[in-house]
Amino acid sequence: AQKVTQAQTEISVVEKEDVTLDCVYETRDTTYYLFWYKQPPSGELVFLIRRNSFDEQNEISGRYSWNFQKSTSSFNFTITASQVVDSAVYFCALSGINNDMRFGAGTRLTVKP
Amino acid sequence: NAGVTQTPKFRILKIGQSMTLQCTQDMNHNYMYWYRQDPGMGLKLIYYSVGAGITDKGEVPNGYNVSRSTTEDFPLRLELAAPSQTSVYFCASSRGASGRRETQYFGPGTRLLVL
Repeated sequence: AQKVTQAQTEISVVEKEDVTLDCVYETRDTTYYLFWYKQPPSGELVFLIRRNSFDEQNEISGRYSWNFQKSTSSFNFTITASQVVDSAVYFCALSGINNDMRFGAGTRLTVKP
Repeated sequence: NAGVTQTPKFRILKIGQSMTLQCTQDMNHNYMYWYRQDPGMGLKLIYYSVGAGITDKGEVPNGYNVSRSTTEDFPLRLELAAPSQTSVYFCASSRGASGRRETQYFGPGTRLLVL
């Protein structure tokens, strides 16, 4: 069975701080995909990144970066120099060979001015 | 290009009533999905479709029905609403070239309250 765990339910930081959101996954598949989505207070889900299991290179996109480590089954997300607009719920998700997409419970990030 | 649209945005139902949540996408995506998001929780897949005329159950299909007569539309039907179906419902679509592991694009959601 596939499972995604986001142990941090809520995180609160002050603007300009760096923050890392943890994601640990479980799967028996050798081929799988990992995703991060953002859900701002308005409620919509915004795609951030998709990573396949064969690509362990870290990715950086502006203030966002992702660290994928198969050895620890983790796909952590770091926001550098956080801003108030980063306040949202962030979901990590996993899709395996059976194409069954599983979401974590989400981490609510609050960035205070 | 509106992406994925959902109607209504919000609805209150009485126990036992029926309703249809509408979902339309204009990206010519083959795959479409329905999820529910309970308060403080992640999303759970209700049903999905890999193309017109083809649907399949997800993780939590009980109490729901779907149909896919066109590529664009994927309505979700609640036949006998129950309080346990109070949730936010998201429709999503993906191109389908790589199956369900592709990036999914989500609609704005429908908030449903069953009293």
